[in-house]
Amino acid sequence: QSALTQPPSASGSPGQSVTISCIGTSSDVGRYNYVSWYRQYPGKAPQLMIYEVDKRPSGVPDRFSGSKSGDTASLTISGLQAEDEAHYHCSSYAGGSTLFGGGTKLTVL
Amino acid sequence: QVQLVQSGAEVRKPGASVKVSCKASGYSFTGNFIHWVRQAPGQGLEWVGRIIPTTGVTKYAQIFQGRVTLTRDTSVRTTYMELTGLTSDDTAVYFCARESDYSTSWDPGFDPWGQGTLVTVSS
Repeated sequence: QSALTQPPSASGSPGQSVTISCIGTSSDVGRYNYVSWYRQYPGKAPQLMIYEVDKRPSGVPDRFSGSKSGDTASLTISGLQAEDEAHYHCSSYAGGSTLFGGGTKLTVL
Repeated sequence: QVQLVQSGAEVRKPGASVKVSCKASGYSFTGNFIHWVRQAPGQGLEWVGRIIPTTGVTKYAQIFQGRVTLTRDTSVRTTYMELTGLTSDDTAVYFCARESDYSTSWDPGFDPWGQGTLVTVSS
């Protein structure tokens, strides 16, 4: 099973919106509504931001939203803030295993 | 407070083995699957495998089959990951992570994560 495909980088100015894509296949992203998104600051452990495609854990701001269309999942961050600068990783259930994307470094300009 | 605390950094020579621990606190240890994920320097996350604390049943990523073993000791609320036949490609931070309580689905996301354990393989 191959990793999910994410763009290596993304950027936006404060207050703007940015969308990060996560491309899988019909065996993972396209088959299951079990896509998660994680934020990771340098030297820290990942933090769950979205689960089951579009659900937010308690404490995650509603500026973060997730969606899916076919084999592609997306994370949208609206009203960008300086603290959003981090790496973002997607994952998908793949029938007993979990696949991750390569990660996207988000820069807030 | 739900917490996973991992053992400290390790240095091994090529061909050796390493065993990393992950101690859980703040919740019923047998209630949630525990996963292991690694991250090579400057790279993305890579799923290693998972263990069901109640039964000890495991599932491993195909690329690690035969080299990785996940075990648990319920008496001390701890999960272990042992990786054998180490090469320089195994140099990475290894994380344990608990399946979240947000849903009872097949994959409710991983929350929380341990702090990570750096394993360095060098001759």
